Amino acid sequence: RKEVEQDPGPFNVPEGATVAFNCTYSNSASQSFFWYRQDCRKEPKLLMSVYSSGNEDGRFTAQLNRASQYISLLIRDSKLSDSATYLCVAYNNDMRFGAGTRLTVKP
Amino acid sequence: GAVVSQHPSWVICKSGTSVKIECRSLDFQATTMFWYRQFPKQSLMLMATSNEGSKATYEQGVEKDKFLINHASLTLSTLTVTSAHPEDSSFYICSAMREPGEKLFFGSGTQLSVL
Repeated sequence: RKEVEQDPGPFNVPEGATVAFNCTYSNSASQSFFWYRQDCRKEPKLLMSVYSSGNEDGRFTAQLNRASQYISLLIRDSKLSDSATYLCVAYNNDMRFGAGTRLTVKP
Repeated sequence: GAVVSQHPSWVICKSGTSVKIECRSLDFQATTMFWYRQFPKQSLMLMATSNEGSKATYEQGVEKDKFLINHASLTLSTLTVTSAHPEDSSFYICSAMREPGEKLFFGSGTQLSVL
C-alpha cells in the first residue's frame, strides 16, 4: 500500500466549477501536510499547508481529518490557470508525495 | 522567498558515463535535502533523504552505489548517477527543508537523457 494515495483523475471541469480532491495517508504519525501543484516538466510549487483546523486561501480550502487520515483540497470558481497536477504530501521524517491528481479546466 | 538552485537543468550523456547534479540552498541552511525522480506522467518518487554530514537514507529499490549522494554542507547536496544507462533517463529534482516538518523548497529539476 502506498503511503499517500490520491485519485489520479483526470478531472475535467468547466471554468467556474468547484472541484474537490481527496488524499489519504497511511502513517498516523505524519506530522505536516501540504498541497503542491505541478505543471508539466516543472518543479512542484507549494499551494498551501494544511492545518488541523482547516485553512483557506482565496479560492482554495484545505482540510485535514486526522481520525480518518485524509486531507482534502477544494477549489472554487475554477480558472483555466488552475489546470495542473495537484500533489498531496505527508511529512514524517521525510516528505511523501501522492501520485497526483490531474485537473484540466476548460473554457 | 527561499531559493533552491539545481544544476544542470538538462544533460545528455552517453551510456556508461557518470553525471553529477548539484542542489544548493541559496539563502538558507537546509537541515535536510530530498532527491526525487519522476518519469513521464508518473508521480514524484522519493529516492533518498540526505542530512548534512551523515549518510543518505535510500528508499527501497534505489541502488546507493549507483546514485551517490553527498551532503557536505548545509547548503549543498549532490547526486551522482554513476555508469548511467538509458533506463536512468528521467527528471531528477531536489528539494530542501529549512526545519523539520516545514514546507519544501524545490530546485528546478534536471532532465537527464542517457543515449
